[in-house]
Amino acid sequence: DTEVTQTPKHLVMGMTNKKSLKCEQHMGHRAMYWYKQKAKKPPELMFVYSYEKLSINESVPSRFSPECPNSSLLNLHLHALQPEDSALYLCASSQEVTGLPTDTQYFGPGTRLTVL
Amino acid sequence: AQRVTQPEKLLSVFKGAPVELKCNYSYSGSPELFWYVQYSRQRLQLLLRHISRESIKGFTADLNKGETSFHLKKPFAQEEDSAMYYCALAHNNAGNMLTFGGGTRLMVKP
Repeated sequence: DTEVTQTPKHLVMGMTNKKSLKCEQHMGHRAMYWYKQKAKKPPELMFVYSYEKLSINESVPSRFSPECPNSSLLNLHLHALQPEDSALYLCASSQEVTGLPTDTQYFGPGTRLTVL
Repeated sequence: AQRVTQPEKLLSVFKGAPVELKCNYSYSGSPELFWYVQYSRQRLQLLLRHISRESIKGFTADLNKGETSFHLKKPFAQEEDSAMYYCALAHNNAGNMLTFGGGTRLMVKP
């Protein structure tokens, strides 16, 4: 399996709901990432996990809570989101986080989130 | 601070014409630069990276450290090249973080 998969494809939630986004890869990659992409904007990094440990949090509000239960899975737990959090959420993975040259990141198709 | 600038939001060319998508960067370290592409209804994927010095789908990009540029070029555009192109800079001393430029939409007209 050479792809990053994400579920669900679409998610609509209210501001009081709790939901989770899921990302999975079976390429043996040890680094996984969450990005947020607003319409007509580039992806913006949210979190980086390296060997299942959170290594980078780009000052993301606590209503977004990442989790990496094992080397193949990455979750993003959502709670008390705001309408401005509506966006495409992309997951990516790469072989490693450290070292040169920088490893290629492989992206999933994204989850389109709408917060009402 | 690191920054990637793609000055054109939209570039429209006719099939067979040369195409150049501009990318400029600012970074205090040794840059690693990439071009990612997103075709309609497909996922974001790597097109090429400067260290590979390859030509992918007829595209090439040369890192010019003097001009801090990494422009993407193709001598003869094809309709299937129509897509969104993002230039990206890796912060290779900061956990493989990527900073993306704003993107350029390339439209190749028949």
